[in-house]
Amino acid sequence: AQSVTQLGSHVSVSEGALVLLRCNYSSSVPPYLFWYVQYPNQGLQLLLKYTSAATLVKGINGFEAEFKKSETSFHLTKPSAHMSDAAEYFCAVKAGFQKLVFGTGTRLLVSP
Amino acid sequence: DTAVSQTPKYLVTQMGNDKSIKCEQNLGHDTMYWYKQDSKKFLKIMFSYNNKELIINETVPNRFSPKSPDKAHLNLHINSLELGDSAVYFCASSQDREWNNEQFFGPGTRLTVL
Repeated sequence: AQSVTQLGSHVSVSEGALVLLRCNYSSSVPPYLFWYVQYPNQGLQLLLKYTSAATLVKGINGFEAEFKKSETSFHLTKPSAHMSDAAEYFCAVKAGFQKLVFGTGTRLLVSP
Repeated sequence: DTAVSQTPKYLVTQMGNDKSIKCEQNLGHDTMYWYKQDSKKFLKIMFSYNNKELIINETVPNRFSPKSPDKAHLNLHINSLELGDSAVYFCASSQDREWNNEQFFGPGTRLTVL
């Protein structure tokens, strides 16, 4: 069964610092992977998705993620954090037709 | 021009009551979902409907009953509410594509059972 594991329930960075949020996947078939962001008191919004077209995927708000099959990873990065990036981030994997399985989420805290 | 909308946004009720949450999408999608997000932010799928047909029914108490009058609407009715039902419930929708499953989420309904 497909699943994802997000390492670190909280990640703290300073404004302007590199953001790295980790996601490892488990899948018996080539995976389709997603990163979603949830701002306080809002629904989830798609940041980016991997559908096997390119291993480096660029998303909205300056985020990108790299698919590494050898490491079964799909980590999310942003070169320079902004205060507005503070949110909950979820990694997800397609697990059968019309089904996504989400990770437990990582809260990103950005300090001035 | 909200894509996925839910009502109400907040719902406070007593144990034992019956309540409904409504969801509508104007994206023309074929599939709609209900998710439950607990206090630790864990997000778990409850149901999905494709063209008004139930596709996914995870291990959810039968006090929860989804209803899809048409493919643009998916409502969630909850009978005999319990304290543990307190959570944020999200509706989502997606288009039928085998190779992809990008889902669009509503703003959520925060249910508090007292």
